[in-house]
Amino acid sequence: AQSVTQLDSQVPVFEEAPVELRCNYSSSVSVYLFWYVQYPNQGLQLLLKYLSGSTLVKGINGFEAEFNKSQTSFHLRKPSVHISDTAEYFCAVSPNTGGFKTIFGAGTRLFVKA
Amino acid sequence: DTGVSQDPRHKITKRGQNVTFRCDPISEHNRLYWYRQTLGQGPEFLTYFQNEAQLEKSRLLSDRFSAERPKGSFSTLEIQRTEQGDSAMYLCASSSRDSGSYEQYFGPGTRLTVT
Repeated sequence: AQSVTQLDSQVPVFEEAPVELRCNYSSSVSVYLFWYVQYPNQGLQLLLKYLSGSTLVKGINGFEAEFNKSQTSFHLRKPSVHISDTAEYFCAVSPNTGGFKTIFGAGTRLFVKA
Repeated sequence: DTGVSQDPRHKITKRGQNVTFRCDPISEHNRLYWYRQTLGQGPEFLTYFQNEAQLEKSRLLSDRFSAERPKGSFSTLEIQRTEQGDSAMYLCASSSRDSGSYEQYFGPGTRLTVT
């Protein structure tokens, strides 16, 4: 079974500051890792994913995340945030054994202040 | 490509009534997923279809819940004898037959309120 822990429920940050949203996971098998974003009144959309290869993955809107297998983490970062980045961010895992069940974390609300 | 659509967007029902939600995936996607999301939580996996076959079902899905995907196109999720605890956002997602993709495309959701 898999589980995902997003360590911060809310992260307030000033515009143009860097941000890191933390995600740790637990799994007995190897997993694929994802970050999804949900803007207000919109559906979830994929921000980035790690399937294999380089542990640093880049996504849309200037976000990137680093897979750390030893620490079972997949933290999301952006060097300079904008007001428009205000949204709910979800970390998710899916076993790479052929199943497609995806487990989501509880979410981190990023609030960017002017 | 019009994206994943869900109908209705909002449903208010009295406890004990049955409700049915519909999801239309992106046309070329063969995989379809249902999730439930409550306030302050991430989506919880309910069930997954590959074409018309229901391949996985969460323990969260009690006997009152049933999902179908006839002909491998649209899907329906029915909740019988609704309870107040069923109030949530029900999300549908689909993904491509491309096994290297794994990206799920989500619909806007159906918000269920049980009074």
